[in-house]
Amino acid sequence: GAVVSQHPSWVICKSGTSVKIECRSLDFQATTMFWYRQFPKQSLMLMATSNEGSKATYEQGVEKDKFLINHASLTLSTLTVTSAHPEDSSFYICSASLGGRWYEQYFGPGTRLTVT
Amino acid sequence: EDKVVQSPLSLVVHEGDTVTLNCSYEVTNFRSLLWYKQEKKAPTFLFMLTSSGIEKKSGRLSSILDKKELFSILNITATQTGDSAVYLCAVFNNAGNNRKLIWGLGTSLAVNP
Repeated sequence: GAVVSQHPSWVICKSGTSVKIECRSLDFQATTMFWYRQFPKQSLMLMATSNEGSKATYEQGVEKDKFLINHASLTLSTLTVTSAHPEDSSFYICSASLGGRWYEQYFGPGTRLTVT
Repeated sequence: EDKVVQSPLSLVVHEGDTVTLNCSYEVTNFRSLLWYKQEKKAPTFLFMLTSSGIEKKSGRLSSILDKKELFSILNITATQTGDSAVYLCAVFNNAGNNRKLIWGLGTSLAVNP
């Protein structure tokens, strides 16, 4: 149980284009989903917390107009990197929690984004 | 400022050795401490600890929490090459509008045959 999927697993895009990453909870309803990014040899950095049906809460320093998050259903959240630049290249990981149990998060397999 | 500190940052051992990974924390409103294993992809869940002194065990892995001294250890006995990974410790800060996991930098474990 508690399986989270992400799509795509890797993507290469050109500078200036937008990329959408999907995060799905497969066998449970995720009221809250989280988006992280991870640079090589660094730990996870929380970008935003996404609650179903409401606007995402972004961490300080994360541009909400650049990283658009939509959480339209209890099993799907999407992250769109708009007008991507090479510095946006990173490993993006989503996680989901069961009900209000934010302290127990289950992670998707991650999406490797490379912007050329 | 909330922080989670893991030690050592990296470790190289031989198969069969036992290793102990450390995680200390200073977090405003502690709710739980979690251990994850990260190989090439996203972290996979190992343990969640909320109470002091109660060992969690799964096969060759075990973990315990000390809420008085603010640390946790993760033990791996009879290590195998498949245990090679980064082990991440995270503590959940349950403080009102700022609820989130605070992550350590991880311990990179390499198990040589």
